Formats: sequence, structure tokens, C-alpha cells
Amino acid sequence: RKEVEQDPGPFNVPEGATVAFNCTYSNSASQSFFWYRQDCRKEPKLLMSVYSSGNEDGRFTAQLNRASQYISLLIRDSKLSDSATYLCVVNSGLSLGLIFGQGTELSVKP
Amino acid sequence: DTGVSQDPRHKITKRGQNVTFRCDPISEHNRLYWYRQTLGQGPEFLTYFQNEAQLEKSRLLSDRFSAERPKGSFSTLEIQRTEQGDSAMYLCASSPTGTPEAFFGQGTRLTVV
Repeated sequence: RKEVEQDPGPFNVPEGATVAFNCTYSNSASQSFFWYRQDCRKEPKLLMSVYSSGNEDGRFTAQLNRASQYISLLIRDSKLSDSATYLCVVNSGLSLGLIFGQGTELSVKP
Repeated sequence: DTGVSQDPRHKITKRGQNVTFRCDPISEHNRLYWYRQTLGQGPEFLTYFQNEAQLEKSRLLSDRFSAERPKGSFSTLEIQRTEQGDSAMYLCASSPTGTPEAFFGQGTRLTVV
């Protein structure tokens, strides 16, 4: 079983749609959580950190459920420019290396 | 540009050859990481430096791989006797002390033929 699991998609949605991604992690001792965005053939870039209380950044909302060990990302009012792969990322606290999920591919269509 | 810089961007090599990649982190970051990413997968952690000290190595880092950060600034990743399975994107990242958030370079894409 992978340490961080995501549905690889692709998710094909029309502009303006709301789309949600979930991710599960296996290490209950994990301490830090992130969503990264990766455009095709580019490097991953930090989208947002994920906090237990949930956090919002414009059209993006991230939530963490420690009891169920899952993390979610909600994108409202999708834009064409949101098309990318979204990587769920966890840090165990025992290692400084980040553990990445496989990524979920999002394609926003006109 | 003050981001993480990697060189070369692309490398094609014959199986059995040695290759070396360079990473220049963001200048005030004392933590430096190497990751490997294959098509359709997320990046996989290889190794981590705190200043010049290599503090952690993944089991993915076989004996053919060696990384250095001699002066606590730039880092090199060398792969000896390359194999076709080494073909991947090699990503370098850096972060300041106190946060696990990492900032990535554009990567070196290695193709072993």
C-alpha cells in the first residue's frame, strides 16, 4: 500500500465547475500536509498548506481529517488555467523528506 | 531569478556511463533535497542535506548514486554505471530551517539509452 494515495483521474470538468480531490495517508504520525500543483513537464509548486482547522485561499479550500487520515482540496469556479496535476503531500515529522501521492490530473474545458 | 537552479535541464547518456547533475538552491536555504520522478508518478525522496551534512538517504538511493554538498551551497548528484531504469526527472528542492515546505527547481531529465 502506498503511503499517500490519490485517484489519478483524469477529472474533466467544464469551466466554472466545482471539483474536489481527496487523498488518504497511511502514517497516523504524519504532521504536515500540503497540496502541490504540477504543470505538464514542469516542477511541482506549493499550492497551499493544509491545517486541521481547514484553510481557504481564494477559490481553493483544503481540509484535513486526522481521524480518517484524509486530505481534501476543493476548487470552486474552475478556470482553464487550473488544468494541472495536483499532488497530495505529507511529511511524517520523522523525516524531512516529503511523501508525494501519485497526483490527480485535472482538465478544465471551455 | 532567485529560485532553485538545476543544470543540465536534459541529459541523454548511454547505459554504463556516469552522469553528474548540479543544483543551486535558494541562497538563504540551508536544507537541500533530491527527488526522482518518473512518468505518471509523484516525486520520490532520495536524500537530504542540512548545510553540508547529508543527514538522510532513502533506500531508493543505491550504491551507484552519490550526492554531495561540499560547502553547504550547491549540490551534485552523481549516478555511476547508469541503467535504463535510471531514466527519470531528477528534482532538487530547498527549504529554510523550520519548515518542511520545499521549493523545487525545474529538474534534470535523464534519458539512458
